[in-house]
Amino acid sequence: NAGVTQTPKFQVLKTGQSMTLQCAQDMNHEYMSWYRQDPGMGLRLIHYSVGAGITDQGEVPNGYNVSRSTTEDFPLRLLSAAPSQTSVYFCASSSWKGGGETQYFGPGTRLLVL
Amino acid sequence: RKEVEQDPGPFNVPEGATVAFNCTYSNSASQSFFWYRQDCRKEPKLLMSVYSSGNEDGRFTAQLNRASQYISLLIRDSKLSDSATYLCVVSSDSNYQLIWGAGTKLIIKP
Repeated sequence: NAGVTQTPKFQVLKTGQSMTLQCAQDMNHEYMSWYRQDPGMGLRLIHYSVGAGITDQGEVPNGYNVSRSTTEDFPLRLLSAAPSQTSVYFCASSSWKGGGETQYFGPGTRLLVL
Repeated sequence: RKEVEQDPGPFNVPEGATVAFNCTYSNSASQSFFWYRQDCRKEPKLLMSVYSSGNEDGRFTAQLNRASQYISLLIRDSKLSDSATYLCVVSSDSNYQLIWGAGTKLIIKP
């Protein structure tokens, strides 16, 4: 059981480039989310999804797009990378039924935008 | 004011000591509360959920005070392996979102 997987582990981009961070889970979880984590700050929610075909914005959605075509996959797209998007990105999934369920995280993607 | 506030630490504690963390939250409508643990350069992992009646898991005890809007975590007989950052997490009043504190760093010294 792989749990939540993320690729790539590390990425360096130039300002203006686009890329997609991949996230997949094999636990049949309906709920998936993307966070970014910056030094001295808590995890901040970028986008989330409560099931295939359903996505919504979190606290910091600007500059990012998501889609959820299958239960397993939830890619995050950076449209035009900016230095402010340098961060560690975590994908998480859970069997969310009202907030009391464990969030399972992927190992993270470390992104540097020059 | 941040929605979830924690003392960033670090807390430097000798092995075997008892250490307590507090976390305050601003949204009185929050219903779910958690402590997560994050090791250096790793992903967060659930340590324990926090219930109104309080709960204990081995050396770890979590308490919730709704009236004062704070959550606590007590670690007894601390081990070197307890060194990590402890994250306080609270559900928002809108559906499907969790609010994360910035974390408290704990360093256990031999």
